[in-house]
Parts: sequence; structure tokens; C-alpha cells
Amino acid sequence: DVKVTQSSRYLVKRTGEKVFLECVQDMDHENMFWYRQDPGLGLRLIYFSYDVKMKEKGDIPEGYSVSREKKERFSLILESASTNQTSMYLCASSLYEKLFFGSGTQLSVL
Amino acid sequence: AQRVTQPEKLLSVFKGAPVELKCNYSYSGSPELFWYVQYSRQRLQLLLRHISRESIKGFTADLNKGETSFHLKKPFAQEEDSAMYYCAPTSGTYKYIFGTGTRLKVLA
Repeated sequence: DVKVTQSSRYLVKRTGEKVFLECVQDMDHENMFWYRQDPGLGLRLIYFSYDVKMKEKGDIPEGYSVSREKKERFSLILESASTNQTSMYLCASSLYEKLFFGSGTQLSVL
Repeated sequence: AQRVTQPEKLLSVFKGAPVELKCNYSYSGSPELFWYVQYSRQRLQLLLRHISRESIKGFTADLNKGETSFHLKKPFAQEEDSAMYYCAPTSGTYKYIFGTGTRLKVLA
């Protein structure tokens, strides 16, 4: 079974903090993604990566950056957290267009 | 612009009743279409993809290119079908467009 692991299930941070969300997959997938999931808005793509050190912006990249130094790890960085970044963050990897999701990180920015 | 619409935020049906979750898309080219499902306290997972033409957990989805729709159907809903359902087309360029989701509640 493919395993996509997000390091934290719940995070509480203060406005202005730098926040790191970590994601690891164990199936050697080329593609990895970060989404945020908000009620009524569905899933929105923040960033994706199709290879090590390669990244592309999704639909809502403002306020975020990413890092992919190793194939199995894809990190989402909130440079200066704001309250409007309070959300559920989902990491995914893909094989032949099938997405495998992590269990999510619920981030609250106070 | 590429867009996918799930018009119902919430759909409530009684157990044993038929269920149809609607999905309409506006997409250039020939997208592949997927339905993803999230059960309570579980991670989002693939339910089915149109290219497979399969039935998963009794659900089927027919691609209607003329109407650009990909509705998800099940003839007899079960309580365990209660979940959040997302329609998602992709053109194979790594970018999936997810709908806003429909919460299905199956009432006893």
C-alpha cells in the first residue's frame, strides 16, 4: 500500500511565524502536490512538483513556498503565517494520474 | 477556463433510495475524470475513474461528452456511503481541478 505521511495532524501557530509542513511518500512517485481544503471551496492546488528540485505554482501559491530536496519528501512553507491560512492542508503523490493523499494537517493560525 | 461544478453542497437520501451526485465540467481537450471520496476521519481516496468503466462499492459514473457531465450514481444507497465526494478532471498535466464537493448523507 502506498503511504503518504504528513508529519503533524494538528498545528497551532501564531501570526507571523514561519511554518513548515512536511510530507513523505514511500512509493518512489515522481509527482507530489500540496492542496488546501476549505469548506465550500473544495481542494485548491497550492504547489506541485514533478521531480526533485522542480516545482510549479498551482492556483493559490501566494504566501507559500515549497522545497523538494529528495524525491520522497515535499515540504510546504508558510513564510509568515496569517489567519487566512488557517485550513486543512493535504499532501498527495501520484502515479499514472491516480492521487494518493496523506491524512492532512489542520493548521490554525492565531 | 477549466472548471468543474458540483451543484449540490449537501445531498440527503434515505437508505435504499437511488443517489446521483452531479458533476459538470468545462475543460479543454479530452480530460480523464475521477471521483474521489472522503469518509469521516479517513483520508481522501480514489473511488473510480471513467477510463476504467468499473463499478466500485456499487457506484458507477458515466461520461457524457455532449453534456460535459460525469455524474456518480448508485441504485441503492447505504448508510456507509455517507461521505464527501469530489469530482476531479485532469488532462494529464499534473494539475487536477477539484470540484467544491458534495456531502452525501444517507439517512436510516
